[in-house]
Amino acid sequence: KNEVEQSPQNLTAQEGEFITINCSYSVGISALHWLQQHPGGGIVSLFMLSSGKKKHGRLIATINIQEKHSSLHITASHPRDSAVYICAVGKGAQKLVFGQGTRLTINP
Amino acid sequence: DVKVTQSSRYLVKRTGEKVFLECVQDMDHENMFWYRQDPGLGLRLIYFSYDVKMKEKGDIPEGYSVSREKKERFSLILESASTNQTSMYLCASSFLQKTYNEQFFGPGTRLTVL
Repeated sequence: KNEVEQSPQNLTAQEGEFITINCSYSVGISALHWLQQHPGGGIVSLFMLSSGKKKHGRLIATINIQEKHSSLHITASHPRDSAVYICAVGKGAQKLVFGQGTRLTINP
Repeated sequence: DVKVTQSSRYLVKRTGEKVFLECVQDMDHENMFWYRQDPGLGLRLIYFSYDVKMKEKGDIPEGYSVSREKKERFSLILESASTNQTSMYLCASSFLQKTYNEQFFGPGTRLTVL
């Protein structure tokens, strides 16, 4: 079993819908990251959190340390949100362990 | 802005060739990483370096070696490329820190081995 599991693996929605991507992990962590990867490969960091909730624009990330679970929400989704979203957990001081990613497609 | 650059976006090589993938970062980061990314498997760590000339094997080091002669540059070497090394290769860097592990990624190199 992977140490970091994401669901769903693929998600297709209509523009404007509320999107939720889930991440569960089985190891003790120092922090949890949500990353975005657009077609072409480059990965950018969206959030880094160790407790509670963070919001940036239409994106919200939450984490429940006791349940070892995090969610990424997108409100009022737009076609430009189409990307692969990756959950990663900090393991020890320097390394990350990654989920398999969720491919999100938002249709106009 | 942090910048991590990789020497090629696309590369096509033949089986048995020696392949060099170069990564350069401009933020004076101590840590540098090489990952490969395959569909359904996510990013997997090949090698990690926390200082010049220091390296540590990741989860899938077989068939790869690395070199870090300067702090800003981390090279991944495929000694004898094979078709199962066809993949997306991503370099990342980060500060040496005690808790959080934010990494900054390069644009990736899509390697095809024929």
